Amino acid sequence: EMQLVESGGGLVQPGGSLRLSCAASEFTFSSYSMNWVRQAPGKGLEWVSYISSSTNTIHYADSVKGRFTISRDNAKNSLYLQMNSLRAEDTAVYYCATRTEKGAFDIWGQGTMVTVSS
Amino acid sequence: DIVMTQSPDSLTVSLGERATINCKSSQSVLHSSKNKNSLAWYQQKPGQPPKLLIYWTSTRESGVPDRFSGSGSGTDFTLTISSLQAEDVAVYYCQQYYSPPYTFGQGTKLEIK
Repeated sequence: EMQLVESGGGLVQPGGSLRLSCAASEFTFSSYSMNWVRQAPGKGLEWVSYISSSTNTIHYADSVKGRFTISRDNAKNSLYLQMNSLRAEDTAVYYCATRTEKGAFDIWGQGTMVTVSS
Repeated sequence: DIVMTQSPDSLTVSLGERATINCKSSQSVLHSSKNKNSLAWYQQKPGQPPKLLIYWTSTRESGVPDRFSGSGSGTDFTLTISSLQAEDVAVYYCQQYYSPPYTFGQGTKLEIK
């Protein structure tokens, strides 16, 4: 079964940093572009970042540009999100999701919670 | 940025009845080379990640019951559940994947009457 598993979430103080990871299994990770999507408590879905399969195309939401960095290691079947200068409004569940030839986000992880609070 | 606006924000429907959720994009999301609209629908149940239901406006994801259907053109799109089942209680989101940022609608909460 194709699977994504996020890790690295936790409690961090404002201004702090965290690195999220997303481990892929049972599919050819290197063939697909990947995304991070977040959901603040009780709120809707917000796309955060995109990286192409070969890493030559990267996009960010304006809300995280300059603070977050997406990356991937295809040899390790892993996706990452380095989050710096964290703010209270970054508090959310962070999901990784694949974007296959369907165009839409068809495989999602279970999410990892990030709480930014003093 | 393309703004996605769903209506209604919440919907209460009786079991076995039809549920209709609308989604409007602020500009075209037509993928010209595929001649398809880059519009998807997701279902999210409490404590779970979103689940892809429909992509390219009307293509049902594998395993999704055929009571779910998508339609639309231009900037107006619709998700229809033909005969509501108890397990369909969830929040539904539309999303454009035409251009980044890949924006979602605000969500529609579907409940049973």
